[in-house]
Amino acid sequence: NFLLTQPHSVSGSPGKTVTISCTRSSGSIASDYVQWYQQRPGSSPTTVIYEDDQRPSGVPDRFSGSIDSSSNSASLTISGLETEDEADYYCQSFDISSLWVFGGGTRLTVL
Amino acid sequence: QITLRESGPTLVKATQTLTLTCSFSGFSFSTSEVAVGWVRQPPGKALEWLALIYWDDDKRYSPSLKRRLSIAKGTSRNQVVLTMTNVDPVDTATYYCVHSHNKLGISGSYYWNMDVWGKGTTVTVTS
Repeated sequence: NFLLTQPHSVSGSPGKTVTISCTRSSGSIASDYVQWYQQRPGSSPTTVIYEDDQRPSGVPDRFSGSIDSSSNSASLTISGLETEDEADYYCQSFDISSLWVFGGGTRLTVL
Repeated sequence: QITLRESGPTLVKATQTLTLTCSFSGFSFSTSEVAVGWVRQPPGKALEWLALIYWDDDKRYSPSLKRRLSIAKGTSRNQVVLTMTNVDPVDTATYYCVHSHNKLGISGSYYWNMDVWGKGTTVTVTS
């Protein structure tokens, strides 16, 4: 089993860029795909990044994902911040026993 | 278009058994490589995977909750039922059902994704 650790919160001004990290506690971050979900208040999660760096249709190209084996982490970067980006963001990967593992979530505040 | 809808009691007393139903459309278990999972979210807290049932009736459970969970296909062919025994106030959460399929990823390996979520049903466990 492993954990995915995210910062509790990040913030940025409209038009700026923020990055949310997701660090895997054991095993290689590159060994299993990482997904990122956006969850607005009162709504179900929706996928903004899948398979580490792929963007679903309909998700703005301001959203990008990456993985860094040196820090064993994944990152979600949102550029050109908009007020509508304010939400909770969760990373998710896979484990042989726990199947779907979620990070603790990061609250993005657009100031 | 795939849709899922969760239903069940909004209030349950501690020690009782919680039964939730996921009714879905737009796919069926007669299609191989599909699955339906359950994920919950306590108020103000993170998402937590609970269980998954595959098209072939294979099942997987969260190790931490395995003793208390049971997932099964419903009597209606487009339903999945999740049962949780001996509930406690810490089980208070929004429960989501999720469509999954075994997707070929960009790097050539398969994985069970989560691509469509229900709106969730909120369950409060009272002591």
